[in-house]
Amino acid sequence: AQTVTQSQPEMSVQEAETVTLSCTYDTSENNYYLFWYKQPPSRQMILVIRQEAYKQQNATENRFSVNFQKAAKSFSLKISDSQLGDTAMYFCAFMTNRDDKIIFGKGTRLHILP
Amino acid sequence: DAGITQSPRHKVTETGTPVTLRCHQTENHRYMYWYRQDPGHGLRLIHYSYGVKDTDKGEVSDGYSVSRSKTEDFLLTLESATSSQTSVYFCAISAEYEQYFGPGTRLTVT
Repeated sequence: AQTVTQSQPEMSVQEAETVTLSCTYDTSENNYYLFWYKQPPSRQMILVIRQEAYKQQNATENRFSVNFQKAAKSFSLKISDSQLGDTAMYFCAFMTNRDDKIIFGKGTRLHILP
Repeated sequence: DAGITQSPRHKVTETGTPVTLRCHQTENHRYMYWYRQDPGHGLRLIHYSYGVKDTDKGEVSDGYSVSRSKTEDFLLTLESATSSQTSVYFCAISAEYEQYFGPGTRLTVT
């Protein structure tokens, strides 16, 4: 069975700093997708970034980038120049291309401090 | 915006009463999902659908049923609500190996 583990329940950083959120996963599959979702206080789930396992290049979306280490089954999210609006719960998630079901980690609550 | 709406957005109900939550999408996506979100658990899959009248169970399906009679609507029913079903419920659709979520429904069972 696939599992997703986020080892940091809560983090706080100063505005404009860089922060890295950790995620590890376990699977025997070779083809899969990894995601980071953001959930601000509004409760809306927002897709931040996606990584295809077959791609070696790390995905980047503006200030958000990932460090994907397939052999280590690690998928961390780096937020550069953090902003107050980045305050949210962040979920790491995993999906194979067999069944379109996503498995979520338990989340990391991130506070950006002014 | 994947055109997903959920109704109601908030509901308070009593233990033992039936409750139906509705998810509606406007873009004819084949796959639809129901999740519940609880503190310390992240999002957990309740049921999902891969087409009209085609549904399957997720990891926390006990006490829930679903129906999908039209592509655009996916209903989640709690036959007899219990306090343990107090939660935030999210509907989602899948498109090109990404999932997009509705705004959520906060359900309180007293």
